[in-house]
Amino acid sequence: AQTIHQWPVAEIKAVGSPLSLGCTIKGKSSPNLYWYWQATGGTLQQLFYSITVGQVESVVQLNLSASRPKDDQFILSTEKLLLSHSGFYLCAWSPPGQGRNERLFFGHGTKLSVL
Amino acid sequence: GDSVTQTEGLVTLTKGLPVMLNCTYQTTYSPFLFWYVQHLNEAPKLLLKSSTDNKRTEHQGFYATLHKSSSSFHLQKSSVQLSDSALYFCALSDWGSALGRLHFGAGTQLIVIP
Repeated sequence: AQTIHQWPVAEIKAVGSPLSLGCTIKGKSSPNLYWYWQATGGTLQQLFYSITVGQVESVVQLNLSASRPKDDQFILSTEKLLLSHSGFYLCAWSPPGQGRNERLFFGHGTKLSVL
Repeated sequence: GDSVTQTEGLVTLTKGLPVMLNCTYQTTYSPFLFWYVQHLNEAPKLLLKSSTDNKRTEHQGFYATLHKSSSSFHLQKSSVQLSDSALYFCALSDWGSALGRLHFGAGTQLIVIP
């Protein structure tokens, strides 16, 4: 069975400090990977997606970056956090090649508080 | 561009009553709609999906019918339970862009009280 693991579970960081969030998917080869951001009780905003190692596409510009160093790993980072970065970050995956009807499988997320 | 509208931000109901959560969408392409549910401190999970006009789809007591004529995909349940309290998102698959690009609505918080 496929599993998705996000780390850390929660972070409290200072404005201007760097950030790195991670996501690992086990049990599935070549998944499509996604980062989503969610304000508390708010909607889900897609940030990045990746269909293969080393290839990441940005959907919105929020002074964040993402990388896919391995087939099963997706990293979200920034060198300088802003207050507006606070929220819930969700990693998700979908099976490769399914097209528009693909469902997303979400991780449990990382709660980020920027102070 | 593509978009999804959920008109109710918060719905509070007594256990056992029926519920309908509204979802309308806008797209120039053939629509593929989803409902995701997110319980407190949990990840969102797929509840329903459909691309077939006028066909009811059901799961876990919830059901929805895609109506292309009215651009709607409302979520319904005949009798809500306490465990249905959660955040519900309607989402539209974006045909014009990358794989997995979903446009999510603002979400509807459903609270079921005893």
